[in-house]
This record gives sequence, structure tokens and C-alpha cells, in this order.
Amino acid sequence: EDQVTQSPEALRLQEGESSSLNCSYTVSGLRGLFWYRQDPGKGPEFLFTLYSAGEEKEKERLKATLTKKESFLHITAPKPEDSATYLCAVLTQGAQKLVFGQGTRLTINP
Amino acid sequence: DVKVTQSSRYLVKRTGEKVFLECVQDMDHENMFWYRQDPGLGLRLIYFSYDVKMKEKGDIPEGYSVSREKKERFSLILESASTNQTSMYLCASSLQATETQYFGPGTRLLVL
Repeated sequence: EDQVTQSPEALRLQEGESSSLNCSYTVSGLRGLFWYRQDPGKGPEFLFTLYSAGEEKEKERLKATLTKKESFLHITAPKPEDSATYLCAVLTQGAQKLVFGQGTRLTINP
Repeated sequence: DVKVTQSSRYLVKRTGEKVFLECVQDMDHENMFWYRQDPGLGLRLIYFSYDVKMKEKGDIPEGYSVSREKKERFSLILESASTNQTSMYLCASSLQATETQYFGPGTRLLVL
């Protein structure tokens, strides 16, 4: 069965303190891995799509990387407005639907 | 920019009522999806549609039905609402099944 696991469940950082969120997956074949940001009470907002191992994408203070078993979302010098839940999802070979992880709740203290 | 809108942000309904949740996208996307999101359970797929009048069951279709009469509109129907359907409902769309899904703002449904 395809599975996506995100860690940690929750992470609290000080403003400016860089860190990484992890998304590990066990799937039959990866067609794409997606990162979303979700603010409380709102729908997920698309951040990145990664398709193959070694690929990297960047946007402002965020950088997503992909290996054959996991993806990392690196956050550099975060600000309080980066506080949100970050969701990872994978699309597998032969499937038409995403498999989501449980998310990492990130809090950045000023 | 992709725009996915949902008809209501908040809804309060009584047990046994028929409930309609509407979703509209303005990007001519082929695929549309309905999820529910619950604490500790994450996002779970209810139904999806890859073409007008076509639908496929997701992981938790029981108690729900859908309608897609026009390409831009995908409706989720709770035939007889129950308290265990209290949840956040999210609609999404994508150009192709393998491409990025874009989400609407969500509808928080409370069934009393």
C-alpha cells in the first residue's frame, strides 16, 4: 500500500532559525511529489512539484528537494508569516489520485 | 492564476437534511476532486471526476454522491446528512490527472 509519512508532526522555531521538514514515501512508482502550505481554516496552497530524484525547487525562503525515498522542505531564516501546516502528497504510477501525508505544523516565534 | 471557488465557507445543517456543496473552477481543468479533512486523519478523497458526467469513487464515498453537468462545476451531495459528516470539505481541480491540484478555500460543515 502506498504510504506517505511526514515528520515531525509539529515544529516550533525562533525567527531566523533554519530547519527542514521531512516527507518519506513508500510507493509502487512515483509520478510526482507535491508540497502545499495550509493556513488554519483555509484550503491548501500549492508550493512545489518535484518529478525525479535530484530535482530541487526554490521559492523565497523555501527549498524542496527529492530523493528516491524522501523529500525535504528546507526553510531558511524563517519569519512568523511562514507559520502554517505543510502538506506533502505523492502521485503514483497508474493512479489518478494523490496520497497525502498528515502534515507538519510549523510555528515561527518572533 | 487558477481560481477554485466554493459556494459557502461555513454551513450548519440538521441531521437528515440534503446538503449541496458547490465548486467552480475557471481554468478549463479536466479533473475535479472532493476531499474531506479531519484532525488526525488528514485529507481523504471522496470522489473525483475526469470529464463531464464522469465520476470515480475515492477512498470514502459512502454517504456522498457527486454531479458534474458542466466542465467548470463539480457538486458534492450529502443525501441525508449525519453528524459524522461534520468536517472541512475541500474541492480541487487539475488540468491533467498527473498534474498539480489546486484547492478551493474549503467549506466547514457542521451537522447538528
